[in-house]
Amino acid sequence: DAGVTQSPTHLIKTRGQQVTLRCSPKSGHDTVSWYQQALGQGPQFIFQYYEEEERQRGNFPDRFSGHQFPNYSSELNVNALLLGDSALYLCASSLGGGDDEQFFGPGTRLTVL
Amino acid sequence: SQQGEEDPQALSIQEGENATMNCSYKTSINNLQWYRQNSGRGLVHLILIRSNEREKHSGRLRVTLDTSKKSSSLLITASRAADTASYFCATSLGEIIFGSGTRLSIRP
Repeated sequence: DAGVTQSPTHLIKTRGQQVTLRCSPKSGHDTVSWYQQALGQGPQFIFQYYEEEERQRGNFPDRFSGHQFPNYSSELNVNALLLGDSALYLCASSLGGGDDEQFFGPGTRLTVL
Repeated sequence: SQQGEEDPQALSIQEGENATMNCSYKTSINNLQWYRQNSGRGLVHLILIRSNEREKHSGRLRVTLDTSKKSSSLLITASRAADTASYFCATSLGEIIFGSGTRLSIRP
């Protein structure tokens, strides 16, 4: 039973560039949430996708956008990268669009230079 | 901003001792969850307690929830070296909001 997978593992970009991160949910899960975790901090909720729609959104600018595909996998896009976007980006999957137990992937470490 | 605030920020105990971490939050919740994170990698779900529950057990873990005080505690009994990690509480009312975490170190 495959768990949550994320790609790539690490990524280095420069300011102003755009980045796309990918996530495949745990088998049987239909909901994907994205989080940003700065060093030494707790994860900050970016948004949640369920039934291919953005259902909940945290306090992040429009530069952060996403998509969910019919197979429930998801992408996180960040435009016009800033130095402050450097962080660990975590994807979590769950069932039914709710707020119960989430299964996290290993994360993508994004460094913006 | 983060709703949950864990206390203490860091905790170092001897192997075999019990570890207690506390979480306070500000608004009404549907449930409260505790997660563990090793070395800045993905989080692992430990336990979920719903707003109408007061106490829950899972193996060596015991979680309490006091909605009148808007607080929760996580007790890890008979600690082991493998328990060394960061522990986060997460409250949910729709979206899930994480606290800033407690860094737990277990000394051999």
